[in-house]
Amino acid sequence: GQQVMQIPQYQHVQEGEDFTTYCNSSTTLSNIQWYKQRPGGHPVFLIQLVKSGEVKKQKRLTFQFGEAKKNSSLHITATQTTDVGTYFCSPSYGKLTFGQGTILTVHP
Amino acid sequence: NAGVTQTPKFRVLKTGQSMTLLCAQDMNHEYMYWYRQDPGMGLRLIHYSVGEGTTAKGEVPDGYNVSRLKKQNFLLGLESAAPSQTSVYFCASSPGLAGYEQYFGPGTRLTVT
Repeated sequence: GQQVMQIPQYQHVQEGEDFTTYCNSSTTLSNIQWYKQRPGGHPVFLIQLVKSGEVKKQKRLTFQFGEAKKNSSLHITATQTTDVGTYFCSPSYGKLTFGQGTILTVHP
Repeated sequence: NAGVTQTPKFRVLKTGQSMTLLCAQDMNHEYMYWYRQDPGMGLRLIHYSVGEGTTAKGEVPDGYNVSRLKKQNFLLGLESAAPSQTSVYFCASSPGLAGYEQYFGPGTRLTVT
């Protein structure tokens, strides 16, 4: 079964509030990817983290990889309605898995 | 350049019927995957292929068969559909296995009654 836990499962925010989703693994990861799926759409690749403690930014999105390479987070600053969707982590440790996803809704 | 395409987009089956889902990619990727997506379960890997003529089981392979006769195509078959196979099915492809971006198709919504 899955060895990755993604939390929270749901997050409702007001537009302008921040949002964070976490991905936690029981094993050390080689790397981790993040994907976004808009409602009714398909997953789209956002980023890949490889190095311990790595931090990458894409405009209002900040991705972090833990020092022990067992966890990761995606933080969105000042959410917009265009951020709605489900965010998945996909950790790599020799097999293909996806987290359960965090469904983000943004109220205008 | 269409990327990854899937046919059909929607399908309703009766229990016991069979069908084949077709996935095609035009990016010359070696690796192709079939996932199913159910509410609260994320994406679960059914089968995958590391090249033409090769396939392997994923996390939830029971009740499904696959074939990769051509590099650009990956077929997912349901021999005897069951209501538990009601789901959204996504195909994906990538140039490598772990650590490479996966490109997803638009999905097939399958309902088994």
